[in-house]
Amino acid sequence: EIVMTQSPATLSVSPGERATLSCRASLGVSINLAWYQQRPGQAPRLLIYGASTRATGIPARFSGSGSGTEFTLTIASLQSEDFAVYYCQQYNNWPLLSFGGGTKVEIK
Amino acid sequence: QVQLVQSGAEVKKPGSSVKVSCKFSGDSVNNFAINWMRQVPGQGLEWMGGLIPTFPTPQYSRKLEDRLTMTTDESSSTAYMEMASLRSEDTALYFCTGRLEEAGHYGLFDYWGQGTLVTVSS
Repeated sequence: EIVMTQSPATLSVSPGERATLSCRASLGVSINLAWYQQRPGQAPRLLIYGASTRATGIPARFSGSGSGTEFTLTIASLQSEDFAVYYCQQYNNWPLLSFGGGTKVEIK
Repeated sequence: QVQLVQSGAEVKKPGSSVKVSCKFSGDSVNNFAINWMRQVPGQGLEWMGGLIPTFPTPQYSRKLEDRLTMTTDESSSTAYMEMASLRSEDTALYFCTGRLEEAGHYGLFDYWGQGTLVTVSS
């Protein structure tokens, strides 16, 4: 099983600032890496797939990068609706899927 | 527009079974790769299993494979997840997800149901 490790567990950021979230895979997953956002009381929402491609309707302030084992999600200028939990997920070989433990982005 | 609507919350006794439904609208359930996830309150996401229309059988996580059954009903455009021998640690929010099979990458989750809370308690 590929283990996904996210850091930090919690990120305190002021509105308008940049947030940088990290995700590491225990084995290489090429660019088969997705990011999801989960707001309180809601289902997760696909933000990024293919490590760097924004899903339909996702604002340009969200960007992803990386390949292999190291990945980053950047939120350029945090808006109030961006305070949420973010999960990375590898999908290199269905059905062998796995999620990271999540990073909570909270208001500083 | 594709929407997934799940059945309501359930309270079950240990040792019993639960069956959660997920109704697809906007396209036929048979056009989708369907994966089920669960989330213990306050914790992360766990992949449970999935089924692809053109694959012969569903695939389940090793941890849950002895207790899970995933099916679809084309006539009602509904997917089902049934779990047997419930334990207190199965208390969680259960999500169905969908991705059009033609898009490939079956491990991506474009569409999500709203979640079904299953509580296992004596």
